Amino acid sequence: DAGITQSPRYKITETGRQVTLMCHQTWSHSYMFWYRQDLGHGLRLIYYSAAADITDKGEVPDGYVVSRSKTENFPLTLESATRSQTSVYFCATLRENYGYTFGSGTRLTVV
Amino acid sequence: AQKVTQAQTEISVVEKEDVTLDCVYETRDTTYYLFWYKQPPSGELVFLIRRNSFDEQNEISGRYSWNFQKSTSSFNFTITASQVVDSAVYFCALSDYNTDKLIFGTGTRLQVFP
Repeated sequence: DAGITQSPRYKITETGRQVTLMCHQTWSHSYMFWYRQDLGHGLRLIYYSAAADITDKGEVPDGYVVSRSKTENFPLTLESATRSQTSVYFCATLRENYGYTFGSGTRLTVV
Repeated sequence: AQKVTQAQTEISVVEKEDVTLDCVYETRDTTYYLFWYKQPPSGELVFLIRRNSFDEQNEISGRYSWNFQKSTSSFNFTITASQVVDSAVYFCALSDYNTDKLIFGTGTRLQVFP
C-alpha cells in the first residue's frame, strides 16, 4: 500500500551517539517534513524539504541534520544525541489538495 | 508570526455529553489553511478536516462539527454525543499558504468516561 514508513518505531541510544531516523514515502509528494512531539509543546517542525536536494530549517533545527537525495526518502540524523532529544518524531508529506499525511512515528530515547 | 492556541489542556466528559474543543489562531496571511488532527492512544495522527481561509461555512461530519469564524480567529471543534472511542489528544494546526509549513497548537487531551 502507498504511504509513509518510518523506521525504526522505537530506538534507545546513548548520549553522544549518532542516530538516523528514516522516512520513506511511496508517493512522489514534493514536500516532506520532520516534527518532534513533546508534552506541553505539541508538534514542532524540525526541518522540511520542498523537493529533492532542497531543505530548510524549521522551528527547532539545532542538533539535527537532514538530506533529501531522492524524492521518496527524507532521513533525519542526530549527529551527537542529547537527552533533550528524547521525543517522538513524526515524518509527514504534503498531498496537494488534501493536506498532510503523517507516518506512525519513531519513539527515541536518549540515555 | 503564526501561532495556534489551544487553551484547554485536558477535558473530561461522560459518554453522550457534547464537548467543544477551542482553537484560536494568529496569522498575518490572508490565505491559509486550518486543520484538526486526532491522536488516539496508539499514537498515530489522524487527519480530521482541512479548511481554507476563504471558506467560512461550518462543516458537519457525523458527530463532528467545526465552527470557523474569521472575525474571532477561531476554528472550534464540537463532538456531539461523545463516545469512549473519542478519547484522544486533538490538535489544531495552521498552514502558511506560501511555505506550506504546518504550525500546531499544544493539543487538548479529551477523556470520555463511560
